[in-house]
Amino acid sequence: AQTVTQSQPEMSVQEAETVTLSCTYDTSESDYYLFWYKQPPSRQMILVIRQEAYKQQNATENRFSVNFQKAAKSFSLKISDSQLGDAAMYFCAYRSGLRTGTASKLTFGTGTRLQVTL
Amino acid sequence: EAGVTQFPSHSVIEKGQTVTLRCDPISGHDNLYWYRRVMGKEIKFLLHFVKESKQDESGMPNNRFLAERTGGTYSTLKVQPAELEDSGVYFCASSQVGVMNTEAFFGQGTRLTVV
Repeated sequence: AQTVTQSQPEMSVQEAETVTLSCTYDTSESDYYLFWYKQPPSRQMILVIRQEAYKQQNATENRFSVNFQKAAKSFSLKISDSQLGDAAMYFCAYRSGLRTGTASKLTFGTGTRLQVTL
Repeated sequence: EAGVTQFPSHSVIEKGQTVTLRCDPISGHDNLYWYRRVMGKEIKFLLHFVKESKQDESGMPNNRFLAERTGGTYSTLKVQPAELEDSGVYFCASSQVGVMNTEAFFGQGTRLTVV
C-alpha cells in the first residue's frame, strides 16, 4: 500500500518570503500522480499543483513549484513571494497511475498548517 | 458552475444517534468519493462511486456506515449508530470518469462531532 508522509505539522513564513513544505511517499509503482492541495480555513480544498511521475520536469504554477525527486520519493512544494492568502492547510496526495477503478482514490499525508505573518 | 456541495457544514450529535451527510457532486462527474479526516491525522479514503455503483468501499470502517448514490447523482453517507470515534471532517470529492489526470474537486466538508 502507498503511504504519504508530511513531517512538518506547522510552518510559518513571512509575507514575500519563500517557504518549502516537505512530502515523502512510498510506493512500488512506477506510474503515479502527486498532488498538493490547499485548504483555507472553513473553505473547500483546492488543487494547487500536480506532477505526473513520468515527467522529469518539475511542475510550476505561478508562485508554486515542486521539487520532484523520484528516486528519493520526495515531492516538496515551494511557495515563493508568500501572501497572506496562502495561509492554509496543505495536503500532499498520491494517486496510482493504474487504469483500474479502484486505483483512482487519493492517499493523503497528515497535512502542514502554513501561517503567513506580516 | 456549482462546485461540490456538502450538507450540513456542521453536525453535533449524541452517541448512539443517526446522522446523514449529503454530497452533491459537480454535474456530469460520475466519480464520487468520500474521505474522512480525524483530528490531526491524514485524510483517509472511505469509498468510491462510479455513477450509482460502489467501485471501491475498502475504506469504510465498519457496518455502521452506509453510503448510497441513488440515480448516480447526489450521495448520502449515513452513520448509525454514531460512536465517539466517528467524529471528524467528512469530505466528498467528484471527478470525471475516463480522464487519468483529471482533477478531483472537493467540497468544504462536514464537521461531525459525536458527544
